[in-house]
Amino acid sequence: GQQVMQIPQYQHVQEGEDFTTYCNSSTTLSNIQWYKQRPGGHPVFLIQLVKSGEVKKQKRLTFQFGEAKKNSSLHITATQTTDVGTYFCADPRGANNLFFGTGTRLTVIP
Amino acid sequence: DTGVSQNPRHKITKRGQNVTFRCDPISEHNRLYWYRQTLGQGPEFLTYFQNEAQLEKSRLLSDRFSAERPKGSFSTLEIQRTEQGDSAMYLCASSITTGELFFGEGSRLTVL
Repeated sequence: GQQVMQIPQYQHVQEGEDFTTYCNSSTTLSNIQWYKQRPGGHPVFLIQLVKSGEVKKQKRLTFQFGEAKKNSSLHITATQTTDVGTYFCADPRGANNLFFGTGTRLTVIP
Repeated sequence: DTGVSQNPRHKITKRGQNVTFRCDPISEHNRLYWYRQTLGQGPEFLTYFQNEAQLEKSRLLSDRFSAERPKGSFSTLEIQRTEQGDSAMYLCASSITTGELFFGEGSRLTVL
């Protein structure tokens, strides 16, 4: 069945370094969402990508949706300690179900 | 606060007891979701309501789990005869479209 794999599972970076997490699907996705969950917190929506090849930026965050709509990435430039948390991609399953990946846990070392 | 509200925030219970969680979504949101999250994992879909109608349930949702949204506003999730494997964070989310989900702070269940 359709599966979305997210890599890496963990990432430790020095503050100021860049960070990238990837989501890969075995099938074509209609769209993909990204969420951030701070330690002890709840998932917070970051963005939704819909179009093939779409690139969106939010300050230091850059989101991409692959041309084949089977993969997506989130890139953070010059990480800060406030970026700490787990980043999840999520893809829709049918009309009513959003399936979350396993997430990438980011640790930023000051 | 106009966000999604969940209570209780923490619940410790003995195996075999029943527990109920409540979720108050954002007022104009007609879509309501329940998810379960265990340590180190992503949220796992449990069930979905559109207004008062429960339109989708995960196959992982055993018959010990039941959810309601009687008037299309707040929702309850009941777990009967709790087991240690039910220990998790139970997250509620609401939305007005098929896009962004707004999550509550969650209800953490510990089954002893």
